[in-house]
Amino acid sequence: QQQVKQSPQSLIVQKGGISIINCAYENTAFDYFPWYQQFPGKGPALLIAIRPDVSEKKEGRFTISFNKSAKQFSLHIMDSQPGDSATYFCAAYTHNFNKFYFGSGTKLNVKP
Amino acid sequence: DTGVSQDPRHKITKRGQNVTFRCDPISEHNRLYWYRQTLGQGPEFLTYFQNEAQLEKSRLLSDRFSAERPKGSFSTLEIQRTEQGDSAMYLCASSQTGNSGNTIYFGEGSWLTVV
Repeated sequence: QQQVKQSPQSLIVQKGGISIINCAYENTAFDYFPWYQQFPGKGPALLIAIRPDVSEKKEGRFTISFNKSAKQFSLHIMDSQPGDSATYFCAAYTHNFNKFYFGSGTKLNVKP
Repeated sequence: DTGVSQDPRHKITKRGQNVTFRCDPISEHNRLYWYRQTLGQGPEFLTYFQNEAQLEKSRLLSDRFSAERPKGSFSTLEIQRTEQGDSAMYLCASSQTGNSGNTIYFGEGSWLTVV
């Protein structure tokens, strides 16, 4: 059973556009939601994270929107750049089990 | 470099051979995780340690897999009698318990190819 469902699987955006990746979860015990960025052949790198007591967090061009009642959260990349082309993973963590559950990833391609 | 370090980065082995991967976490981190990632998929949890204690093992971790963290610092992941289905990237991550302990930091991964 997949704990975190991520969509879309792949995304093509023009340079300067907005990239939006969505995730949904079921377990209300999750209390921390990070996003990771992964380039080919590299390990995932933490991009931005949010706790469920806030509805939005912004860091530079990256914003997480969090909807606790819908059990959904999304990553918005403003002014997308070719250098943003990577695979993005959402994740959810519960301190009850000290484990992170990852989505299946979204491969983003930003065209120049 | 003070990040999570993994070795080797790439390993090609014949089916049936044993392989061992090493992970050196960020020095002050007391939690260490092993994940497995296959192409097009997100990381899957294998096991984690708090200090030297292995607190949980996934059902994905068959009896051919064993992980240790003998002194609460570096960790090793051994796969015995490798099978082609073991081909994947093995990721190590670490974190520190506490207010910011939810954040885990990954290493670059160890790619395993079983031929």
